[in-house]
Amino acid sequence: DSGVTQTPKHLITATGQRVTLRCSPRSGDLSVYWYQQSLDQGLQFLIQYYNGEERAKGNILERFSAQQFPDLHSELNLSSLELGDSALYFCASSVQGGNGYTFGSGTRLTVV
Amino acid sequence: GEDVEQSLFLSVREGDSSVINCTYTDSSSTYLYWYKQEPGAGLQLLTYIFSNMDMKQDQRLTVLLNKKDKHLSLRIADTQTGDSAIYFCAEIGLTGGGNKLTFGTGTQLKVEL
Repeated sequence: DSGVTQTPKHLITATGQRVTLRCSPRSGDLSVYWYQQSLDQGLQFLIQYYNGEERAKGNILERFSAQQFPDLHSELNLSSLELGDSALYFCASSVQGGNGYTFGSGTRLTVV
Repeated sequence: GEDVEQSLFLSVREGDSSVINCTYTDSSSTYLYWYKQEPGAGLQLLTYIFSNMDMKQDQRLTVLLNKKDKHLSLRIADTQTGDSAIYFCAEIGLTGGGNKLTFGTGTQLKVEL
């Protein structure tokens, strides 16, 4: 157990739907990062939050949004889902980036 | 720009050493990392090296960094079947007001008996 908790582990949904992925960071970590892992794109950075504020944005689609709450857990919202959004979505947390990120076990999203 | 490249596959025999290579382009990276991903699992941080170091050893793992050539390698001594996994190198970079890890494509290590 890495200390980063992601729920749900698996999600199957239809095109056009909206889903919410949840992440609880490791105790003491203020930064949360979201990554998408797909076969064709590899691991892509989506977004970073630090203590409730958005700090960095990567290749995140406009249909996707995220937030970090006062208790530091984070949610990634994916809307108007397309088949190509099927992927593993990872959350990671860190105290500060230099020591590396601790990753959760991921949410596998399948859009049918 | 930032681009991290790795060879896709490596096959070794149990007991041999494995060497996984990585090249990167962002010379401003202060840290470089190696992560391991087993099937159906998340990414596990194996080790990292600060950019002013040439080498770091941690039990069976040895990381070599050549900053001039922007080349990073991970050597696994006495490779075991449990080492079979995908190995990612990653560099950290500043972006906006935060930071992000940029990952390589991953090298699938297969350990054969």
